[in-house]
Amino acid sequence: DAGITQSPRHKVTETGTPVTLRCHQTENHRYMYWYRQDPGHGLRLIHYSYGVKDTDKGEVSDGYSVSRSKTEDFLLTLESATSSQTSVYFCAISVQGGSPLHFGNGTRLTVT
Amino acid sequence: SQQGEEDPQALSIQEGENATMNCSYKTSINNLQWYRQNSGRGLVHLILIRSNEREKHSGRLRVTLDTSKKSSSLLITASRAADTASYFCATDANNNAGNMLTFGGGTRLMVKP
Repeated sequence: DAGITQSPRHKVTETGTPVTLRCHQTENHRYMYWYRQDPGHGLRLIHYSYGVKDTDKGEVSDGYSVSRSKTEDFLLTLESATSSQTSVYFCAISVQGGSPLHFGNGTRLTVT
Repeated sequence: SQQGEEDPQALSIQEGENATMNCSYKTSINNLQWYRQNSGRGLVHLILIRSNEREKHSGRLRVTLDTSKKSSSLLITASRAADTASYFCATDANNNAGNMLTFGGGTRLMVKP
């Protein structure tokens, strides 16, 4: 899996609680991404990073924030989880924008 | 919104048959990529075709790109049960400053032994 680890793999949380998902890479790739995958919507980009402390919004960024303080770690935070954020979250990395992505195995998040 | 749309949404074939999946997109692109996803796993990159290429091969995979029709197809020849997975196209639109990939909804392929 190209040296990408997502944690946790599964999480159940209650509406209104904060949640942080972690993505760790050992490939030293510059770009890191967070996608969510939902039935009927395919994969949608939440946020991405093009370097340490350099991040930008994707298609569905509302309700999410990210941080990248080190090359290898990219954190996704749901400040106050809602049921609409129940999804499978995938982290991906690439050498540069538009290059092939290497994905982690996902985090299944359920917000009750 | 999805830049790429796969067709069909689901496909069921017998082992040994060929499987063809199509992808249509809306805006001009730098490249188009195909990915595979096994159940419960992350996506795996299969092949990338650039906008100035018309056809590309990788093992049993053949990808074509028609930029005039804004469409691509993925052909898997002599399919195997292990090819059962979902297949996604992704486009790198050349009006996208960040060159971010946009994924379609995928085709679910089932290959029956």
